[in-house]
Amino acid sequence: QITLKESGPTLVKPTQTLTLTCTFSGFSLSTSGVGVGWIRQPPGKALEWLALIYWDDDKRYSPSLKSRLTITKDTSKNQVVLTMTNMDPVDTATYYCAQTWGSRIDYWGQGTLVTVSS
Amino acid sequence: QSALTQPRSVSGSPGQSVTISCTGTSSDVGGYNYVSWYQQHPGKAPKLMIYDVSKRPSGVPDRFSGSKSGNTASLTISGLQAEDEADYYCCSYAGSYLFGGGTKLTVL
Repeated sequence: QITLKESGPTLVKPTQTLTLTCTFSGFSLSTSGVGVGWIRQPPGKALEWLALIYWDDDKRYSPSLKSRLTITKDTSKNQVVLTMTNMDPVDTATYYCAQTWGSRIDYWGQGTLVTVSS
Repeated sequence: QSALTQPRSVSGSPGQSVTISCTGTSSDVGGYNYVSWYQQHPGKAPKLMIYDVSKRPSGVPDRFSGSKSGNTASLTISGLQAEDEADYYCCSYAGSYLFGGGTKLTVL
C-alpha cells in the first residue's frame, strides 16, 4: 500500500523560508521511473505544480517559481524535502506531495495547509 | 507557462453524459500524448482518473473516458452519477507538469 504524508509548519511569516517534508511508504525512490513531486492549491483555487525529483536525482521546477524552490531526497529515509524561500501571503495554500510514474501523478498525500501571515 | 484552459463549470442530470474540455498549445497538450485528468471532492486530495490521454487506472469506472484532438483534450463522463459531482483538473506533462484551471461538475 502506497502512502505519502506531508509535514511542516502550518504558519510562516512573510519573507521566511518554508520547509516541507514528504514521508512515503510502499515504494522506493530508487526504482527506475519513479518520482515524487509537490503540488499546491490556494483556498478555493486551482492546482499548481511546483517541483519534482526523480529516482536518478533529476530535478524539475515550475518555471515561475524556480528561483525560490529547492527539492531534495533522502532515499534511505523515504523522504523528499521542498524548500520555498521568501514566502508571501499569496503562497498560502494546501501543499500536496505525490508519487509520479511516467506522466501520471498516481498517489497523493492528504495535503497540509500552510498559512503565510505576520 | 499559462494554465491550461478549462470551462469553469459544467452540469448534467443523472444518467446523462458530460464532456469537459482542456485547451493548451502545441508545446503541451498538442505536442504529447501525456494528458491526465484528476477528480477532486471538497476537502480531499485529487484522484487520478485518466492518464496518457485515454488510459484508465485500475478501479476507475469505464464511464470515464478521455480523448484528444489537436491542442484540446476532453474528459467525457457517461451515465452521470451523484458521486461524480466534483472538481476536475486536466494536466499536461512535457518534462514538467501543467494543470488546467479546473472545472466544477454539478449533477443536477
